[in-house]
Amino acid sequence: DAGVIQSPRHEVTEMGQEVTLRCKPISGHDYLFWYRQTMMRGLELLIYFNNNVPIDDSGMPEDRFSAKMPNASFSTLKIQPSEPRDSAVYFCASSLMGGGGGELFFGEGSRLTVL
Amino acid sequence: AQSVTQPDIHITVSEGASLELRCNYSYGATPYLFWYVQSPGQGLQLLLKYFSGDTLVQGIKGFEAEFKRSQSSFNLRKPSVHWSDAAEYFCAVGVTGTASKLTFGTGTRLQVTL
Repeated sequence: DAGVIQSPRHEVTEMGQEVTLRCKPISGHDYLFWYRQTMMRGLELLIYFNNNVPIDDSGMPEDRFSAKMPNASFSTLKIQPSEPRDSAVYFCASSLMGGGGGELFFGEGSRLTVL
Repeated sequence: AQSVTQPDIHITVSEGASLELRCNYSYGATPYLFWYVQSPGQGLQLLLKYFSGDTLVQGIKGFEAEFKRSQSSFNLRKPSVHWSDAAEYFCAVGVTGTASKLTFGTGTRLQVTL
């Protein structure tokens, strides 16, 4: 398997622009997670899905952030409008098993810079 | 809510020396515990995990970790470090019923000198 695939790997945009990050989980995994990594706050869980349904979005910073999973093989994280404080590395991860015991498989991340 | 503390932000060891990275957790019951490694520009990769049973768990790349309930700790060890082990290491805790919703520590950056 190719692993979790994220795109773009790098994105530089200007404040106010819309940003869309994409993720393809590992086939057969029924959990998908979006994390954000910054120097100040470390790794933060933003949202996770089970069988394409959002289960917990309590980590989403504010209404500017939205995430969708239209099918089992694709998810997006959208920021509109973007702000400089959104600059971070955004990771997508997928997992086969729930209950806190599943290994997370991470993508290589999307590094976002908002000017 | 559960939490994880990694007290060491940065550790430097010589190649061939032993390594111990500290991790303390806070949770009312027995947690699921993980160690992940992140190389520069990469995502996180699982090194090892503890669910139950034997408190000493073996992982990939020669790493091991020991769960000590009395100390709420899950320290990562390696008897002889290789230069390729230089990376950032994250301890994480997961709890039952939260579907792999892991809480990560702030990480420890390991530097290996030759």
